[in-house]
Amino acid sequence: GENVEQHPSTLSVQEGDSAVIKCTYSDSASNYFPWYKQELGKGPQLIIDIRSNVGEKKDQRIAVTLNKTAKHFSLHITETQPEDSAVYFCAASRVVTGNQFYFGTGTSLTVIP
Amino acid sequence: DTAVSQTPKYLVTQMGNDKSIKCEQNLGHDTMYWYKQDSKKFLKIMFSYNNKELIINETVPNRFSPKSPDKAHLNLHINSLELGDSAVYFCASSATSGANEQFFGPGTRLTVL
Repeated sequence: GENVEQHPSTLSVQEGDSAVIKCTYSDSASNYFPWYKQELGKGPQLIIDIRSNVGEKKDQRIAVTLNKTAKHFSLHITETQPEDSAVYFCAASRVVTGNQFYFGTGTSLTVIP
Repeated sequence: DTAVSQTPKYLVTQMGNDKSIKCEQNLGHDTMYWYKQDSKKFLKIMFSYNNKELIINETVPNRFSPKSPDKAHLNLHINSLELGDSAVYFCASSATSGANEQFFGPGTRLTVL
């Protein structure tokens, strides 16, 4: 089965700095890679996703890069703000019925004002 | 408008009891899921239903029984609760075609005493 590793487990940055979270996966058949943000007491929410036919995707201050050969993908948050503080999860899956997600272990991001 | 809702939000009960958690989605999705999030924030799939049929059943004790009366509902019944069942349980849903984003509910925090 798929194994997703995520680093770092905790990350503290100053407001305005950039934050980078990295994930690796093991199953070369995985072709969909979402990133979820979980705020305290809430369910995870999708913030950005990327498919295996794309190397990079950007949405305002958030970007994701994918290296299929190396089987790793990263989340980049620029100009961080205190409201970016949350737990971030990466996931990998195949686009099939049922669409099982294999989640990373999460990164707790703290943005210091 | 709530997309994925769960009840109750908090559930405190004694060991050995039987309890249920309800989930409903109003997104018109065909696929629904149950996840367990432990104290270390690790998210793990438990079950997945597509059009009311079970398609993913991870290694979960048979004390856990999901029930899907229709495509919009997926309930989780737990028999003979144990201390180790304490966790946050998330329901999610996704469309089986097109985008594969999973939409998560707000979670149910189960505490077994």
